[in-house]
Amino acid sequence: EPEVTQTPSHQVTQMGQEVILRCVPISNHLYFYWYRQILGQKVEFLVSFYNNEISEKSEIFDDQFSVERPDGSNFTLKIRSTKLEDSAMYFCASRGSNEKLFFGSGTQLSVL
Amino acid sequence: SQKIEQNSEALNIQEGKTATLTCNYTNYSPAYLQWYRQDPGRGPVFLLLIRENEKEKRKERLKVTFDTTLKQSLFHITASQPADSATYLCALDMSGGGYQKVTFGIGTKLQVIP
Repeated sequence: EPEVTQTPSHQVTQMGQEVILRCVPISNHLYFYWYRQILGQKVEFLVSFYNNEISEKSEIFDDQFSVERPDGSNFTLKIRSTKLEDSAMYFCASRGSNEKLFFGSGTQLSVL
Repeated sequence: SQKIEQNSEALNIQEGKTATLTCNYTNYSPAYLQWYRQDPGRGPVFLLLIRENEKEKRKERLKVTFDTTLKQSLFHITASQPADSATYLCALDMSGGGYQKVTFGIGTKLQVIP
């Protein structure tokens, strides 16, 4: 079965550094999402992306965050200046023509 | 604003019994509601979707109901097995039908005891 691929699986960074989390959605999907999950908490919506622009974003997704689909296969989440509270598991998801979301295995981000 | 409420306390049941998990929402009835399974350290995996005009949906040992009057969905696993142990998430689209803001409840952790 096709799957969403995320890299790296773990990322450690210093506070204030920029990080880019990468995702390869399922190839014929058109809708892309980023979620995050702080340990022990719920899966939180960050942003959705369709047709090369942001469709919806949450209040968490402030100016420190950006998303991009730089080519036909990758979908990236950039955090410009990481804070301690950005430490979380970040999940990418994609969707085809129905409502079913397919999630990647996540990138565990640790900000020191 | 719309809230999704799931019992965040763990549910422990004996193998072979039926597990019933609850999802309540607070405001408008969504066009559909989804259930996902999440294992530790993994992304959610889609299980079932039920639409507002459907009362019940089944898939193998799974059954979902949707009561728009009570603003509630129930998720049942019959003949539960230890392999069913996981956290089960309820999800709603908060973007008014565009499916662009699918939001999850906190999830209920199910433990099936052999």
